[in-house]
Amino acid sequence: AQTVTQSQPEMSVQEAETVTLSCTYDTSESDYYLFWYKQPPSRQMILVIRQEAYKQQNATENRFSVNFQKAAKSFSLKISDSQLGDAAMYFCAYQGGSQGNLIFGKGTKLSVKP
Amino acid sequence: ETGVTQSPTHLIKTRGQQVTLRCSSQSGHNTVSWYQQALGQGPQFIFQYYREEENGRGNFPPRFSGLQFPNYSSELNVNALELDDSALYLCASSPGLDGTQYFGPGTRLLVL
Repeated sequence: AQTVTQSQPEMSVQEAETVTLSCTYDTSESDYYLFWYKQPPSRQMILVIRQEAYKQQNATENRFSVNFQKAAKSFSLKISDSQLGDAAMYFCAYQGGSQGNLIFGKGTKLSVKP
Repeated sequence: ETGVTQSPTHLIKTRGQQVTLRCSSQSGHNTVSWYQQALGQGPQFIFQYYREEENGRGNFPPRFSGLQFPNYSSELNVNALELDDSALYLCASSPGLDGTQYFGPGTRLLVL
């Protein structure tokens, strides 16, 4: 069975600085997708970034980028120029190519200090 | 373009009762997935509907059931509520089985 592990329950970053959130996963599939979702205290889950496993190039979305290491089964999220609005729970999620459901990690709570 | 909506936003029930939660998918999306998120945890997959048929189910008992309608909106029904059913219930829609899932704001259920 596939699993997703986020080893950092909490992280803190100074406003305007850079922070990296870690995620590892376990799968025997070769075709899959990886996601980072953000969940602010308002609780709506918001898509941050998506990575297709077959793509070598790391996905980027403005200040958000990933470091996808397929062989190591690692998928970290880098947030540059952190803003107060980035404070939230961040969830790493896996979706197999043969299934439609998402498998989530336990989340990392990110605090941003002014 | 309207996003995913869910109703109600909050709900309080007592043990043994039944509850129905509703979800309207984003325009153009034919797939709806339901997740349960306990406090302080990541969401857990309940089941998924694709074009009105169930397409996969997580480790939840049969008292959790669902429907998808021709307009691709969906319902989650929970019978014989237990205290442990207290959680945030999230609905997500996607344009197909392997499409990116977009979430609604959730329904907070409290079972007393």
